[in-house]
Amino acid sequence: QSALTQPASVSGSPGQSITISCTGTSSDVGSYNLVSWYQQHPGKAPKLMIYEGSKRPSGVSNRFSGSKSGNTASLTISGLQAEDEADYYCCSYAGSSTFHVVFGGGTKLTVL
Amino acid sequence: QVQLVESGGGLVKPGGSLRLSCAASGFTFSDYYMSWIRQAPGKGLEWVSYISSSGSTIYYADSVKGRFTISRDNAKNSLYLQMNSLRAEDTAVYYCARAHEFSFSFDPWGQGTLVTVSS
Repeated sequence: QSALTQPASVSGSPGQSITISCTGTSSDVGSYNLVSWYQQHPGKAPKLMIYEGSKRPSGVSNRFSGSKSGNTASLTISGLQAEDEADYYCCSYAGSSTFHVVFGGGTKLTVL
Repeated sequence: QVQLVESGGGLVKPGGSLRLSCAASGFTFSDYYMSWIRQAPGKGLEWVSYISSSGSTIYYADSVKGRFTISRDNAKNSLYLQMNSLRAEDTAVYYCARAHEFSFSFDPWGQGTLVTVSS
């Protein structure tokens, strides 16, 4: 299975909103509402921000939201803050004939 | 609090073996699926393996199938990854993560342990 496709980088100013896309296929993103998103600061472990497409774990700011349309999932961060600068990865279950989980290539978010 | 601590990484020659461990605390380990996920230097994340709460169901990525073996000891609250026939492309930080059975999401993650395969 191929990795999910994310833009290499996005940027925004403090207070603005940005959206990171994650494009898969009808075998992964399009078939299941099982996309998760992770935030990773340099040298740190990834942190779960969104699961099952749009659900936020306890403790994650409501500035983070997720959605899906067809084969593309999206992560939106509103009210950008300096601390949001990090790498973001999407992930999807890609089962069917065999169990598989696939990640996106990652997106570097820069807060200007 | 929930904590995962990996150990066992290091430098190994191509063709060699290494066993990673992940010590879990702060939750009922035997109730949860677990996974190993790796990240090559400067690269993205790659799912490696997945094991059910009892250890009866196991899955591997094609890239490691036949070379890596995941296992767990619920009495010791520990997860393992036996890595054999290591290749240069296996060089990565290896993370253990608690896996959610029905959402296939990973939370939390350990701090990672670096495996370097080089002659």
